[in-house]
Amino acid sequence: KAGVTQTPRYLIKTRGQQVTLSCSPISGHRSVSWYQQTPGQGLQFLFEYFSETQRNKGNFPGRFSGRQFSNSRSEMNVSTLELGDSALYLCASSLTSGSQRGYNEQFFGPGTRLTVL
Amino acid sequence: AQKVTQAQTEISVVEKEDVTLDCVYETRDTTYYLFWYKQPPSGELVFLIRRNSFDEQNEISGRYSWNFQKSTSSFNFTITASQVVDSAVYFCALSEDYGQNFVFGPGTRLSVLP
Repeated sequence: KAGVTQTPRYLIKTRGQQVTLSCSPISGHRSVSWYQQTPGQGLQFLFEYFSETQRNKGNFPGRFSGRQFSNSRSEMNVSTLELGDSALYLCASSLTSGSQRGYNEQFFGPGTRLTVL
Repeated sequence: AQKVTQAQTEISVVEKEDVTLDCVYETRDTTYYLFWYKQPPSGELVFLIRRNSFDEQNEISGRYSWNFQKSTSSFNFTITASQVVDSAVYFCALSEDYGQNFVFGPGTRLSVLP
């Protein structure tokens, strides 16, 4: 079974631009979560999508948004990029969403490394 | 509020030494999950172990062992006879949401020197 895939793996943008990152979950998985990893703030939860609906959201500004398609693939968008958005963005997928039928393991992708100049 | 603390920012050991990575967590929930992940330079998070709040059994897996103590809200990780390949950043994480929406600790960078 293929794992979680993220594209692109590396991206360079300039301040003020916008960017879209893509995540393809493991086949059959319906939940996708996004995390941001920076040297200063560490690993932080961005949001989770389940069945095309945002189920949970972390403490990030509205410039960070996402969506999920009917095939469970998810995209994350960051508008008006700032230097501080430079980070490794990790995506994780799981079969269902939290609190449904107990424990629900997340599988992480390799991440997209975004550099904002 | 949920929080995970890893007080050790960086640890350096010489190969074959034992090393313990500390993790202290805070949560108000009675049901939660704790995890350890390893992040090598490639960046991908490698799952090591999970524990749920009802399972305080310690576990040993090869050179790895984990000590979960609810009384002290700690979930420490020990590597026995460390190897250079163990060099990585190790994250402890907490989930109050059945394995979703992790809160990660800041990580401990382990360097194992030959």
